[in-house]
Amino acid sequence: TQTVSQSDAHVTVFEGDSVELRCNYSYGGSIYLSWYIQHHGRGLQFLLKYYSGNPVVQGVNGFEAEFSKSDSSFHLRKASVHWSDSAVYFCAASLYKPTFGKGTSLVVHP
Amino acid sequence: ETAVFQTPNYHVTQVGNEVSFNCKQTLGHDTMYWYKQDSKKLLKIMFSYNNKQLIVNETVPRRFSPQSSDKAHLNLRIKSVEPEDSAVYLCASSSPGQAPDYTFGSGTRLLVI
Repeated sequence: TQTVSQSDAHVTVFEGDSVELRCNYSYGGSIYLSWYIQHHGRGLQFLLKYYSGNPVVQGVNGFEAEFSKSDSSFHLRKASVHWSDSAVYFCAASLYKPTFGKGTSLVVHP
Repeated sequence: ETAVFQTPNYHVTQVGNEVSFNCKQTLGHDTMYWYKQDSKKLLKIMFSYNNKQLIVNETVPRRFSPQSSDKAHLNLRIKSVEPEDSAVYLCASSSPGQAPDYTFGSGTRLLVI
């Protein structure tokens, strides 16, 4: 059984701030973790993934995430957010079927 | 353009009617999925097909039935809709391999009145 937990339902920051969106997982098999972004009224768009190798992975638009086996975490970070980063972010753990967290709504004030 | 295409974007219908949603992917992927996203944005997988074969069939009411004519198409039929079926239905496909990339369509928003 795999579960994904996103502890923050809402995060609000100002443009130019750094942000970290948290994701914790529990999974008994090989780890495959990813992050997706969903803008209002749109489908999910892939941001980045981790399967093996360097625990820090780079994604699109300046996003990165760090895998930690000891903390069972895969937090998403961005050093300087833009108002267009306002969206819902989903963490997912998967092999043959993705299991998504409940999502974190990020609001970036101009 | 390679992507996942869903039609219709929106559909409003009355309780008891039948609806069908279409999904096509032009990415050459072998695996396709249907997800239901409720008003709180929670995503639940409903079905998954690999090369026209059903591989994941989560616990969903029997009025939901997936239909796949080939690996590029995965439609969803709901026979006799209920109010709780109001949601966004997201279709996705995935690339092969140990760490597949999932590509989602823009969704079909269903409102049952």
